[in-house]
Amino acid sequence: DAGITQSPRHKVTETGTPVTLRCHQTENHRYMYWYRQDPGHGLRLIHYSYGVKDTDKGEVSDGYSVSRSKTEDFLLTLESATSSQTSVYFCATKPGTGDAFFGQGTRLTVV
Amino acid sequence: AQSVSQHNHHVILSEAASLELGCNYSYGGTVNLFWYVQYPGQHLQLLLKYFSGDPLVKGIKGFEAEFIKSKFSFNLRKPSVQWSDTAEYFCAVTDSGAGSYQLTFGKGTKLSVIP
Repeated sequence: DAGITQSPRHKVTETGTPVTLRCHQTENHRYMYWYRQDPGHGLRLIHYSYGVKDTDKGEVSDGYSVSRSKTEDFLLTLESATSSQTSVYFCATKPGTGDAFFGQGTRLTVV
Repeated sequence: AQSVSQHNHHVILSEAASLELGCNYSYGGTVNLFWYVQYPGQHLQLLLKYFSGDPLVKGIKGFEAEFIKSKFSFNLRKPSVQWSDTAEYFCAVTDSGAGSYQLTFGKGTKLSVIP
């Protein structure tokens, strides 16, 4: 498996609190992605990055922000968590035109 | 914007039956296509991919897929499934031109194989 580490792996948080999920890679891949996985919806792209400090929105970006200050780290922040953001979050990385590799996922529960 | 459609939400097969999962994409340009598998409780793993060349691609664990450009399809097949193939399968597409960084997934097909 590619060297992709997501932290934390599990988190329970209260509505209205800020939450940051971290994705760390050791592959030096250029592209990084955050997806959320929900039953019946497959994987939906939240945000992605095509280089340090270069990010863009995916199809479900409302309520989320990202930052990438180093090649190896891609942070996903929920500014004020809501119950609709309860989900499993996957980070993925991808070299130029190759395959995407996925992290183990973060299960987030907002109560 | 590109999109991916997977026709079957849940497929139930007996062991040794043949499998075909449908995948259609909407993007009209040159594409790279992927099938990923997610076993229960695990992350996504690559089964196979198509970039160019022979439209019939072979992947791991006996899976294969055929790219039919005229039909915008990339169906996954396996001649004889096993109980261990029980998993969720995702088709994905990315355009292979400049800026080919947006990777779009279908909603997935859950496969249950009955022993």
